[in-house]
Amino acid sequence: IVLTQSPATLSLSPGERATLSCRASQSVGSSLAWYQQKPGQPPRLLISDASNRATGIPARFSGSGSGTDFSLTISSLEPEDFAIYYCQQRSTGWTFGQGTKVEIK
Amino acid sequence: EVQLLESGGGLVQPGGSLRLSCVASGFAFGNYGMNWVRQAPGKGLEWVSALSSGGERTYHAGPVRGRFTISRDNSKNTLYLQMNSLTAEDTAVYYCAKEGGSGKPYDYWGQGTLVTVSS
Repeated sequence: IVLTQSPATLSLSPGERATLSCRASQSVGSSLAWYQQKPGQPPRLLISDASNRATGIPARFSGSGSGTDFSLTISSLEPEDFAIYYCQQRSTGWTFGQGTKVEIK
Repeated sequence: EVQLLESGGGLVQPGGSLRLSCVASGFAFGNYGMNWVRQAPGKGLEWVSALSSGGERTYHAGPVRGRFTISRDNSKNTLYLQMNSLTAEDTAVYYCAKEGGSGKPYDYWGQGTLVTVSS
C-alpha cells in the first residue's frame, strides 16, 4: 500500500490552521496514524486509528478520514508545531507516507 | 518511564555486517511487538522489520528481506537487528520502536543509531 501525502511543504504563520492530507492506494480502513518529527529527534505519535489523539497530544491536533483519504488538522499553529508530519498505515504491512513539512511563512 | 536505547551502529564497508541492539526498560517488554524503522540522511521514514511479542512472527520490508534478521531476547529486554550484505542504500539512522498494542502504531521510539555503509 502506497501512502501519498500532500502538500510536500506547507508555509503558514503561527495561529493559522494547517490541513495535511494522506491518501492510500487502497483502503486501510481506519488503520492510519500520524507522527510529528523535529530535526534531530525521533518521531512522536500524534494520532492513532485515524482520529484518536495519543496521550499528551494537545487538542489542537485532530485527525479524520477512513478508507483511502485522511487528514491531519492543526487548528491554530503554535511555534513548536513547525516540523515534518508523516502518516503511516498498519492495515497491510507497515508503510509511511513521504512526509509534509510545515514551515514558517 | 519507557526507554529504548539503541546501539551497534557505525561505519561498515559495503558487503559487511552489523548487529544493532535496542535495550528496553519501563514496560513489560515481552508483551509488545517491536519494530525497526530507518531514515536515510535527509529522507523520510522507512519501515524495516517487525517482530511479534513472543518472537514467533517476523516481517521484513522488501529491500532488506533475506539480508536482515530481526530477533529478540525477552529475558534481556533486548531487540536485535542482524544486518548482512550491507550496501550504501542501507546508510541511515535506525530506530527501534515499540508498538502500542497488537497492530497499533508506535507509541515510543528510541533516539536511533547511525549506520554508515561506505568504503
